[in-house]
Amino acid sequence: NAGVTQTPKFRVLKTGQSMTLLCAQDMNHEYMYWYRQDPGMGLRLIHYSVGEGTTAKGEVPDGYNVSRLKKQNFLLGLESAAPSQTSVYFCASSYIASGDYNEQFFGPGTRLTVL
Amino acid sequence: GQQLNQSPQSMFIQEGEDVSMNCTSSSIFNTWLWYKQDPGEGPVLLIALYKAGELTSNGRLTAQFGITRKDSFLNISASIPSDVGIYFCAGPQALNTGTASKLTFGTGTRLQVTL
Repeated sequence: NAGVTQTPKFRVLKTGQSMTLLCAQDMNHEYMYWYRQDPGMGLRLIHYSVGEGTTAKGEVPDGYNVSRLKKQNFLLGLESAAPSQTSVYFCASSYIASGDYNEQFFGPGTRLTVL
Repeated sequence: GQQLNQSPQSMFIQEGEDVSMNCTSSSIFNTWLWYKQDPGEGPVLLIALYKAGELTSNGRLTAQFGITRKDSFLNISASIPSDVGIYFCAGPQALNTGTASKLTFGTGTRLQVTL
């Protein structure tokens, strides 16, 4: 099993450009998440999905959109990139996210720079 | 939202030494998770704790769930160079949608091991 995979690993964008980050998991997990990681800020939740066809906003959703058309895939889109979106993006998935049970498995990350 | 404070922020230790780090919260958590992030990689789950007072080991790692449920501790015995990385604590926090939860992450403890 590959676990959680992310593409691309690195990307440089100019301000105003758009792009989509792809996350795939082969563990049949219901729940998927997108985080961004910035120095000194830890991991912050952007959007999440509790199942195929559903998405919801996390802590820092502005400037991002997501889609979960298939259970195994979770896409993160930047419609008009801004320098403030320079960050490392992580996708995660979990089998369960109910109450106190939420063991998440992370992908290797995408390092995005917006010039 | 709830915040998790980790200390120390960073540590420089010699190979073979034991390491201790902790995570504290202003609110009660019913689950504590400890992750490790290697440079350029995503976080990997090390230990999960589900009961106050619980002590759980994973090889040279031992984690404890504090009695007050507001803290957790991670110890690494006889450190080796591959222990280098950032260690995060995390705890589930209820989301607005139904029974789903998200993880709140601490800001991390960066461990450096010298030979």
